[in-house]
Amino acid sequence: QVQLQQSGPGLVKPSQTLSLTCAIFGDSVSSNSAAWNWIRQSPSRGLEWLARAYYRSKWYIDYAVSVKSRMTINPDTSKNQLSLHLNSVTPDDTAVYYCAGGSKVIMAYWGQGILVTVSS
Amino acid sequence: DIQMTQSPSSLSASVGDRVTITCQASQDITNYLNWYQQKPGKAPNVLIYGASNLEAGVPSRFSGGGFGTYFTFTISSLQPEDIATYYCQHYDSPPYTFGQGTKLEI
Repeated sequence: QVQLQQSGPGLVKPSQTLSLTCAIFGDSVSSNSAAWNWIRQSPSRGLEWLARAYYRSKWYIDYAVSVKSRMTINPDTSKNQLSLHLNSVTPDDTAVYYCAGGSKVIMAYWGQGILVTVSS
Repeated sequence: DIQMTQSPSSLSASVGDRVTITCQASQDITNYLNWYQQKPGKAPNVLIYGASNLEAGVPSRFSGGGFGTYFTFTISSLQPEDIATYYCQHYDSPPYTFGQGTKLEI
């Protein structure tokens, strides 16, 4: 059974960087059959897919255009985890952030979600 | 980006009712569509993948259909535990957008 454990701060100041980590248990971040995603949810935006990383002999990473200039996701094979860094945050980035994984077509496993509030 | 339009945004039904939700894609996504159920305070849970395939362990009262740009999600006999918000999501090409959700109430 795959489990995803998210960690990170719940409060970030405007203009700073939001950093979250998703630890993966029961699978490998570099699995040749898995893909790992970041999604966020807010009342104003609903569910918003942000980014995905997967390994098929090399790493492939996709980003939503809305965050591409500000976001980086990093797979860490030594710790078997995926991180998210979103810089220059504004209150509009306030949301519950989820990591989710599974195959390339199904996000079958989800983390518990972390509410991140952007406020001074 | 591919836009996903769900209808209705909310739905009130009774136990035992047949409930249908629709999802329309802004362009052809063949059958690259999933349906998720989300209960309050929880992460979404996949019910249907590939437009019509039931995820393992999901009750058979849930079903999906459609191809191209028009898709349906049906609960054949609504149960109290089905109260949740349901989302469609495409996986044709990034970004993998979600519909705005359908909140199901009894």
